[in-house]
Order: sequence, then C-alpha cells, then structure tokens
Amino acid sequence: GNSVTQMEGPVTLSEEAFLTINCTYTATGYPSLFWYVQYPGEGLQLLLKATKADDKGSNKGFEATYRKETTSFHLEKGSVQVSDSAVYFCALSDPTNAGKSTFGDGTTLTVKP
Amino acid sequence: GAVVSQHPSRVICKSGTSVKIECRSLDFQATTMFWYRQFPKQSLMLMATSNEGSKATYEQGVEKDKFLINHASLTLSTLTVTSAHPEDSSFYICSASPRTNTEAFFGQGTRLTVV
Repeated sequence: GNSVTQMEGPVTLSEEAFLTINCTYTATGYPSLFWYVQYPGEGLQLLLKATKADDKGSNKGFEATYRKETTSFHLEKGSVQVSDSAVYFCALSDPTNAGKSTFGDGTTLTVKP
Repeated sequence: GAVVSQHPSRVICKSGTSVKIECRSLDFQATTMFWYRQFPKQSLMLMATSNEGSKATYEQGVEKDKFLINHASLTLSTLTVTSAHPEDSSFYICSASPRTNTEAFFGQGTRLTVV
C-alpha cells in the first residue's frame, strides 16, 4: 500500500534559520505530493504541491521538489519566522484515486525569536 | 478555488448521545468525499470514503455502525457518531474532490469532545 515517512520531530529553530523537513514515500504508480500545515486548534491548509517528477512546489518561501529517483519530497525554507511554528504534514494522493490521501505522522516546528 | 466547509467546528456532547457532522462542497459537486480522524498529536487516518448515492466504503477497523456516513447529495456528506463515548473524542476532517481522480480539498475540521 501507499505510505509516507516524515522526519521525526519536534524541530526547534531560531528565527531566520534554514529549515528542512524530510519526507519520503512509497506508492505504486505516480502520486501527487503535498505539504499541509496545521496551526494549533485549526484544520489543514495546503502549503504546496507537485504533481509530477521534477516539479517544484513553492509558497510563502517554502519549497519542495518531487524527486522520483529518491521517492522524496523534502520541505525547505531559507529563513523561518516565529509565525511558521506549526505542524507540517507530508501527504500523497492515491495514484488510482487522487482524492484519497495518505499522510505522514507530522512534524512539529517551533521557531524561537 | 474549491471550498469545502464543515459544520460544526466544535461540538461537546454527553456520553451516549449522537452527533452529526456536515461536510459541504460550496462551489463544486463532489461524487466522492472522504472522512479522516486525527487523534491528539497524531496524523490523519482515513476512516471512510463517502460515495454519493451509494454506501460508504469503510477502512479496516472502523465500525460502520458507530460512524454512519450519508452522502445525500453531490454537495453534502454527513458523519454521525452514534452513542458517542469519551474515546470518540477527536478531530474529524472531511475532504472532497471536484472530479473523479483529482486531488481533494479539505474542510476546516470538527473537534468533538464527549463528556
């Protein structure tokens, strides 16, 4: 079956530090890949996505590149802010049913001033 | 863009009562909707796939008599937690796809607390 493995957290960084959250996946076929962000007490917000190999998704300074050869979709940001503190989920959509999503365990990011 | 709305956003109910959560696609029709459950500090787990006009498909280990799903129209799916108990307290999130085999958009989630 499909699976997503995320870097274990929690991650604590100082403001303006570089962020990397690793994500690898297992899927039959060619899934779309997503990063979602969840702020405390709130629902999921789509952060970025990529639908095919070598695509780069980007939004609000975050980016991730769909690497088919390494089955990875690592999230990066060059300079984090306190407001980026949240839980980040890597996810894929089922290649045979794109509406069905499989999520990683989530990584909690805390950015300190 | 595609918007999915859930209602209510928070609900507290007494043990033994039933609670209904609504998931609506506001600007598109969705033949398929999905229901997820998220335990505190954990990931989202798919509970069931809701199909308009037919029975829902439940994931292994999910009690279909406990979590009743009704997809009455192309814009509305409901999840009813029957005879709720404190262990049913959780965050429930729905998603919907505008077209078959396209990515889904998520609702804001419903936090259920059973006391």
